[in-house]
Amino acid sequence: DAGVIQSPRHEVTEMGQEVTLRCKPISGHNSLFWYRQTMMRGLELLIYFNNNVPIDDSGMPEDRFSAKMPNASFSTLKIQPSEPRDSAVYFCASRSGTDPYGYTFGSGTRLTVV
Amino acid sequence: GNSVTQMEGPVTLSEEAFLTINCTYTATGYPSLFWYVQYPGEGLQLLLKATKADDKGSNKGFEATYRKETTSFHLEKGSVQVSDSAVYFCALLEYGNKLVFGAGTILRVKS
Repeated sequence: DAGVIQSPRHEVTEMGQEVTLRCKPISGHNSLFWYRQTMMRGLELLIYFNNNVPIDDSGMPEDRFSAKMPNASFSTLKIQPSEPRDSAVYFCASRSGTDPYGYTFGSGTRLTVV
Repeated sequence: GNSVTQMEGPVTLSEEAFLTINCTYTATGYPSLFWYVQYPGEGLQLLLKATKADDKGSNKGFEATYRKETTSFHLEKGSVQVSDSAVYFCALLEYGNKLVFGAGTILRVKS
């Protein structure tokens, strides 16, 4: 298995532009999580999905952030418009319903907003 | 809410030294506890876990024991290697779905 695949690995964009981060979970995993990592705040859960349905989006910082999971093999996190304070590493993780402890993380997308 | 507190780093050790990274938690009930490791440019990898009080998780020479009396889950290794240099995160599993992480501790091992 290729693991959780995130793209792009690095993204540099100008303030005000729309940014879309992508995640492909492990096949058969039915939960998907988006985390953000910054020096100031550490790792924060933004949103998670069970069976493609958003369950808890209380960590989404503002309305500028949105996430979708149109099917079991794909999810996006969109920031529109982006701001310099959104610069961070964004991680996607997936988990199987049969192993509640088995989170697998992707390699992350490093976002820089200038 | 639930939270995890780790010792601040960086921790710098010589090869073959003994490692301890302290972790304490605040939670209602008895959450499952984890240590994750992050190598440069990579995602987090599960290092070990303990799902109930007094459980000991172990992997690759690392160990941690779930102590409910002291609400702690300290990570230990008897002899570190240069290849152990990474960032280590303590975490708890909240309500069965949400991983809550500590701030992370940078470990640097010198040869």
